[in-house]
Amino acid sequence: DQQVKQNSPSLSVQEGRISILNCDYTNSMFDYFLWYKKYPAEGPTFLISISSIKDKNEDGRFTVFLNKSAKHLSLHIVPSQPGDSAVYFCAARLTTSGTYKYIFGTGTRLKVLA
Amino acid sequence: DVKVTQSSRYLVKRTGEKVFLECVQDMDHENMFWYRQDPGLGLRLIYFSYDVKMKEKGDIPEGYSVSREKKERFSLILESASTNQTSMYLCASSFSRRGKETQYFGPGTRLLVL
Repeated sequence: DQQVKQNSPSLSVQEGRISILNCDYTNSMFDYFLWYKKYPAEGPTFLISISSIKDKNEDGRFTVFLNKSAKHLSLHIVPSQPGDSAVYFCAARLTTSGTYKYIFGTGTRLKVLA
Repeated sequence: DVKVTQSSRYLVKRTGEKVFLECVQDMDHENMFWYRQDPGLGLRLIYFSYDVKMKEKGDIPEGYSVSREKKERFSLILESASTNQTSMYLCASSFSRRGKETQYFGPGTRLLVL
């Protein structure tokens, strides 16, 4: 049972426009959400995160929105650049008895067209 | 700069061999994780550890074991490699602290089991 879902396997966007990547989750006990970017043959690199008590977090061109009632989060990249082309994973953290576990979505491949 | 290193970038092993994948982090992180990444399945958690000599099963622990004898090192062991363990293996580490949350990943080991 996939607790974190990224329903769009791929997305193409023109350079300079906004990229919106979506993520849905099912477990209301998740307390933190993260976005990672992954280039081929490299490990994922952290982009931005948001606590479950917030609804928005912004860092430069990247903004993450969290809608707890809908169990939905999204990553906005504006303006999109060709170097943003990568696979993006959302992840949710589950805290149990003081230990942390992260559950990842299946990823969305973003292609930014020049 | 946080650094997570993995002992090999590419490995080719035969069915039935015992395989060791090593991961070292230099940031004194309490938590360490092993994932595998497969197309269409995202990152799936195999095992994690929140302290030396402690380990917890993730979502897909079958066929794997781990060892954490020192805080900075977390080893993944394939007791008897099988072809369905061909995958990209990613190690990660993180703090156990409230506030800004992130996980740092190594570059990955691509394992081919023949």
